[in-house]
Amino acid sequence: SAVISQKPSRDICQRGTSLTIQCQVDSQVTMMFWYRQQPGQSLTLIATANQGSEATYESGFVIDKFPISRPNLTFSTLTVSNMSPEDSSIYLCSVGWRGYEQYFGPGTRLTVT
Amino acid sequence: GNSVTQMEGPVTLSEEAFLTINCTYTATGYPSLFWYVQYPGEGLQLLLKATKADDKGSNKGFEATYRKETTSFHLEKGSVQVSDSAVYFCALSKGGGADGLTFGKGTHLIIQP
Repeated sequence: SAVISQKPSRDICQRGTSLTIQCQVDSQVTMMFWYRQQPGQSLTLIATANQGSEATYESGFVIDKFPISRPNLTFSTLTVSNMSPEDSSIYLCSVGWRGYEQYFGPGTRLTVT
Repeated sequence: GNSVTQMEGPVTLSEEAFLTINCTYTATGYPSLFWYVQYPGEGLQLLLKATKADDKGSNKGFEATYRKETTSFHLEKGSVQVSDSAVYFCALSKGGGADGLTFGKGTHLIIQP
């Protein structure tokens, strides 16, 4: 399986600011995904990020709020813009692997005050 | 759209008891089905998967069979241990690793010695 790291592991931010989360994979992968896990809730897909193309966002998520970059096959970033307390969540990246599996990073725990 | 329904928790069992966590899904076509586990303080781990009808996924003593006729993917284990205490998520993907996952709400399992 792929080894995935995320930075930062946690952060506390003030409302109105932005945070960029990095996701690094130890292998080249085509498909990368970003999810949000709100406190006590399940995971919700934010967007799919393929290298060389624009990210595809799920209903309820927009590029202005969650811009994503995918500059190469091992790296992606998710920015949470103009944050509010409702953005307090764990943000996870995942990678598609061998056509059927997905593996997840350790997550970034974001608290917005 | 796609959806996953799992039994609400917490589920509390004694060590060596038989475990069933129910999961049913709604999806068009032939999705791939997954169980993920989140141990306390750890990231999300893929536990097992099944990619077509009647497939049985298995890992660490856990099993689940893809039942298309009942649109179910129930997780079972014959004899649970304290170390199995975790949150278990059922998930589906229309395109396997090439597509985002739709998760159930998660079932918190507590095993008492």
